[in-house]
Amino acid sequence: NAGVTQTPKFQVLKTGQSMTLQCAQDMNHNSMYWYRQDPGMGLRLIYYSASEGTTDKGEVPNGYNVSRLNKREFSLRLESAAPSQTSVYFCASSEVEARTVFSNQPQHFGDGTRLSIL
Amino acid sequence: QKEVEQDPGPLSVPEGAIVSLNCTYSNSAFQYFMWYRQYSRKGPELLMYTYSSGNKEDGRFTAQVDKSSKYISLFIRDSQPSDSATYLCAIPTYSGAGSYQLTFGKGTKLSVIP
Repeated sequence: NAGVTQTPKFQVLKTGQSMTLQCAQDMNHNSMYWYRQDPGMGLRLIYYSASEGTTDKGEVPNGYNVSRLNKREFSLRLESAAPSQTSVYFCASSEVEARTVFSNQPQHFGDGTRLSIL
Repeated sequence: QKEVEQDPGPLSVPEGAIVSLNCTYSNSAFQYFMWYRQYSRKGPELLMYTYSSGNKEDGRFTAQVDKSSKYISLFIRDSQPSDSATYLCAIPTYSGAGSYQLTFGKGTKLSVIP
């Protein structure tokens, strides 16, 4: 049981390049999320998808786009990478739909993509 | 004031010590409180959750909520080197239009020294 799988694990980009981070989950979860984690800032939500076919902005969406390709896959795209987007990116999924009153359903995280932009 | 505040530490303790990790939150309407553990170069994983006030115990771990002071705590008894990790508190917060999001504290990095 792989859980949440993120690719690639590491990437170095030059300013202005584009890139898509891939995420797939095999738990048949409805909701999926993209976070970034920076020193001193904690985990911040970029975008989420409450269910297949829907996406919504989180706390820090600027400079990113997402696609919920199907129930399993949720990708994050940087169209024109900037040094401020250097971070560790985490994808997560949960069974509960993000728009319902929250229960004790946990979010399951991948192991992250470490992205450096020069 | 941020919705969830957590002292980032770092915190270093000897093996066998009792560890206390804490967060404060701003909205008295919050009902669910979670603790995630994150090992180095890994994603966070849910450790414990509590609903409303009171304590919840799971082995060496106890989660405590004090709603009157808007303060949550995680206690680790008989700490082990394998407990060395970053601990994040997390609270579901209302983000509008019927949606809830998980708001994380910044995390406290704990080192348990053998």
